[in-house]
Amino acid sequence: QKEVEQNSGPLSVPEGAIASLNCTYSDRGSQSFFWYRQYSGKSPELIMFIYSNGDKEDGRFTAQLNKASQYVSLLIRDSQPSDSATYLCAVNKAAGNKLTFGGGTRVLVKP
Amino acid sequence: DTEVTQTPKHLVMGMTNKKSLKCEQHMGHRAMYWYKQKAKKPPELMFVYSYEKLSINESVPSRFSPECPNSSLLNLHLHALQPEDSALYLCASSQSANRDGQPQHFGDGTRLSIL
Repeated sequence: QKEVEQNSGPLSVPEGAIASLNCTYSDRGSQSFFWYRQYSGKSPELIMFIYSNGDKEDGRFTAQLNKASQYVSLLIRDSQPSDSATYLCAVNKAAGNKLTFGGGTRVLVKP
Repeated sequence: DTEVTQTPKHLVMGMTNKKSLKCEQHMGHRAMYWYKQKAKKPPELMFVYSYEKLSINESVPSRFSPECPNSSLLNLHLHALQPEDSALYLCASSQSANRDGQPQHFGDGTRLSIL
């Protein structure tokens, strides 16, 4: 079992719809969770982070965390073609701020 | 624009060359990181510096040698690399490496090709 797992996709979403991305992790001691967006050939860009169970909203993005079930999700509302990218889930599971990344989910938003 | 600046953006070198990658941040962060990313794979942690001291080395081969001259600068010295070392090398920084959960911010990366 991988430490952080994501569906590789592609997740195809019509423009204006909601994109729902999921991420599961294996270490129950994990404390901090991050979503990065990475365009092809570019570096990862931090879009959301969440520490507590529940929802956290920032603009069109909502992160959801359920530590009991060991999953974290990202919702993208009103998806735009510019949201087409790979979304990386990252988990901080130990001291030293060591991030472990999932394999990423590729999202395609079609006009 | 990213607040973590990496130079050069592209680097092509032979297996016998010595080169260095540079990273600079002006956010007052006290932790800096080097990652390696191969195509269609997630970033893999190489090194962590906390308060200018090496705190994590993920069993990286000695042909990669990190250096942190001060809290704003991070270098990665390269020597006798192999073709499989060709990748995107990413620098990141965060406020601290001692407190879990500090978001890490990435630079644009250096795309390295080994001939």
